[in-house]
Amino acid sequence: DSGVTQTPKHLITATGQRVTLRCSPRSGDLSVYWYQQSLDQGLQFLIQYYNGEERAKGNILERFSAQQFPDLHSELNLSSLELGDSALYFCASSVGAGRSQETQYFGPGTRLLVL
Amino acid sequence: GDSVTQMEGPVTLSEEAFLTINCTYTATGYPSLFWYVQYPGEGLQLLLKATKADDKGSNKGFEATYRKETTSFHLEKGSVQVSDSAVYFCALSDTGTASKLTFGTGTRLQVTL
Repeated sequence: DSGVTQTPKHLITATGQRVTLRCSPRSGDLSVYWYQQSLDQGLQFLIQYYNGEERAKGNILERFSAQQFPDLHSELNLSSLELGDSALYFCASSVGAGRSQETQYFGPGTRLLVL
Repeated sequence: GDSVTQMEGPVTLSEEAFLTINCTYTATGYPSLFWYVQYPGEGLQLLLKATKADDKGSNKGFEATYRKETTSFHLEKGSVQVSDSAVYFCALSDTGTASKLTFGTGTRLQVTL
């Protein structure tokens, strides 16, 4: 158990809908990262928040947004969902702002299926 | 940009066989290198890491050495067990683009009795 929690574990929804994925980092960690794992794209970095502020952005679609709250939990919002958004979404956390040496600890993931 | 290349899987081995999973990388800065493991139906777990050249990461019998001259970080284990069956991901975090992990495509390992 990494100490990172994600809810829900599974999510089934329809095209055009909007969903929210939630992540709680390990106790003491200030950074939260979001990754998408799909069969065709592999594991891709989406976005990082550090202590409430956006820190780094990867291949995140404009339909997707995220935020980190004062209690440090984070939410990833996915809107106007398409079939191709079906994937496993991971949250990870690390203690600092994201120096290269820092270990990122991953949650169990949320499996999203868009029908 | 940064990239990680892993050997294609699946790799099928008998129990107690020697394991090598090759990983090479391209990075612009001075990356840290990681191996993560994903067991069926689970998230990613850190297996080991190395943060500078010639460092050796080790955990649970697995080892990998950071080779800057060959830009490689090959994963090895002397004697695999059925319980090692999983997908293994090589990843890097670069000093210039710190924060994100760049992952390889993953190598599925299947260990049989």
